[in-house]
Amino acid sequence: SQQGEEDPQALSIQEGENATMNCSYKTSINNLQWYRQNSGRGLVHLILIRSNEREKHSGRLRVTLDTSKKSSSLLITASRAADTASYFCATGAGAGGTSYGKLTFGQGTILTVHP
Amino acid sequence: DGGITQSPKYLFRKEGQNVTLSCEQNLNHDAMYWYRQDPGQGLRLIYYSQIVNDFQKGDIAEGYSVSREKKESFPLTVTSAQKNPTAFYLCASSPGTLPIRTEAFFGQGTRLTVV
Repeated sequence: SQQGEEDPQALSIQEGENATMNCSYKTSINNLQWYRQNSGRGLVHLILIRSNEREKHSGRLRVTLDTSKKSSSLLITASRAADTASYFCATGAGAGGTSYGKLTFGQGTILTVHP
Repeated sequence: DGGITQSPKYLFRKEGQNVTLSCEQNLNHDAMYWYRQDPGQGLRLIYYSQIVNDFQKGDIAEGYSVSREKKESFPLTVTSAQKNPTAFYLCASSPGTLPIRTEAFFGQGTRLTVV
């Protein structure tokens, strides 16, 4: 079963616009991570936010985490054509439960940035 | 260079054959993972290993087998019992053990096609 569910499934924007992707999850987590995948390639880690953090920044990326709503968002500001890729959230489970020790991924959001 | 290497990049299997996908890492990571990705889908966990000589089933382990005899190696065998093996297979590793506190590093994937 998928722990994280991303929304929207696909997002198409123009260069310079901001892109926001959302992720919801079901069980308790130790941390939540965002990854990027270019077509046909492996995943690349973007940012990790711990369960006791609410917001984190890295360059043009901003991630928020709301553990009460079991949701996270990834904001890419001033997007570029090179940001075109699939973006996945992944959760590292907290202690206990069947997800302990796993890194579980959502379905992903396909982002297309038009020049 | 440190990293995680998957081979081969492309693999073709005949019906009824077993095939083994290689995954090697020189990052000195304790944990290793195998994921399956179908077109337009997220990643589904097949098997994972937190330490040498130990591994656990993920969400879709049926028709697959693994071994972890060395820290740096985590080969995946797709057996003839796997009825729909055509997919993109991704191997990953992460430092440390439970719980998952850090990012995962991915290989570039192996695309398996049944012919």
